[in-house]
Formats: sequence, C-alpha cells, structure tokens
Amino acid sequence: AQSVTQLGSHVSVSEGALVLLRCNYSSSVPPYLFWYVQYPNQGLQLLLKYTTGATLVKGINGFEAEFKKSETSFHLTKPSAHMSDAAEYFCAVKNQAGTALIFGKGTTLSVSS
Amino acid sequence: KAGVTQTPRYLIKTRGQQVTLSCSPISGHRSVSWYQQTPGQGLQFLFEYFSETQRNKGNFPGRFSGRQFSNSRSEMNVSTLELGDSALYLCASRESSGPEETQYFGPGTRLLVL
Repeated sequence: AQSVTQLGSHVSVSEGALVLLRCNYSSSVPPYLFWYVQYPNQGLQLLLKYTTGATLVKGINGFEAEFKKSETSFHLTKPSAHMSDAAEYFCAVKNQAGTALIFGKGTTLSVSS
Repeated sequence: KAGVTQTPRYLIKTRGQQVTLSCSPISGHRSVSWYQQTPGQGLQFLFEYFSETQRNKGNFPGRFSGRQFSNSRSEMNVSTLELGDSALYLCASRESSGPEETQYFGPGTRLLVL
C-alpha cells in the first residue's frame, strides 16, 4: 500500500537560507507524487508534481523537488527562503487506483528575519 | 476560471444533528473528491465522484455519504454528528480520471460539533 512519511513536523529557517523539507514514500506501483502548501485558513495549493520523465521538478514560487527512486524520496527545496513561505507543506502520493491522494502528516515551515 | 468553491465556510452543529456541505468544482472538471483534515489524523480521503458515480471510498463510517449532480457539483452529508467529526472538510476537483491529473482544492468548510 502507498504511504508517505514527512521527516520533521516543524522546520525553522532564517530568511535567505536554504529550505529543505523531507518526504519519503512507499509505493507498490510507479508513484505519482505531489507537494501542496497550505496557508492559515485556506485550502491546499499545488506547488509541484512528479508523474513521469524528468526527475527534477520545478514548481511555483521557486520551489523544486527531485524524485529519487533508489531512495524512495521526493524532497522539496528552495534556495532562499522568504517570509511569505511560512506555511504548512504536505507531500502526497496517489493511491494504487489513482483515485485518491495519500498525504503525509505535514511539515510546518517557519521563517525568521 | 473560477476555482473550487465550498459552502458554507464555517458551520457549528450539535451532536446528533446532520450536516450537508456543498462543493462546486472548477468549470469542466468532472471529478470531485472530499477529504477530512484534523490535527490528530491529518488529511484523510473520504470519497471521490466522477460523472455522478462514486469511484472510491475511504475508511469512514456509513454516516459519511456524498453525491454528485449532473453539473458536477457535489454534496457530502454527515448524519448523527459526533464530536470527533469536527474538522476542516476539503473538496478537490480535477478535469478527468487520470492519476496524473492535478487535484485543485477549495478553501474548505470548517465544521465544529458541540
């Protein structure tokens, strides 16, 4: 069965520092992987997704993620954090039937000046 | 295009009551999914509808039900509310049924059960 583990429920960085949010997945079929962001009192916004092809995926707001099959990882990075990046981030994998997203527990990103 | 809309945005009910939440997908999207978000359990899949048919259902009791109309709008109903049903209920739509398709989420309905 598919599952997602996000390492670190809370990550704190300084403005301008590298952002690294970790995600490992388990999947019995080639995975479809997603990163979503949630700002307070809002729904989820897609940052980026991996389906097939290029393993380095670029998303919105300067974020990118690399699919590493050998490590079953899909970590999210951003070279330079902005205050506006403070939010909760969710990694997700499609279930085997492709009909539902299975989410990790989420990582809250705090950015200090 | 307008995004996914959900009504109402906030709702307060008491135990034992029932509630109906509404979701209007992005125009042209035929698939609607529902998720429950709580601090303890995180984001959990409730069910998905495609062209008025339920295609998949998560591990929730029968008190949770849904339906989809011919215009793709969807409703979910929770009967005999329990305190543990307090949550943010998120609706998501996508254009087709392919697994690679992006699901676009609405702002959610926050339900508080007293």
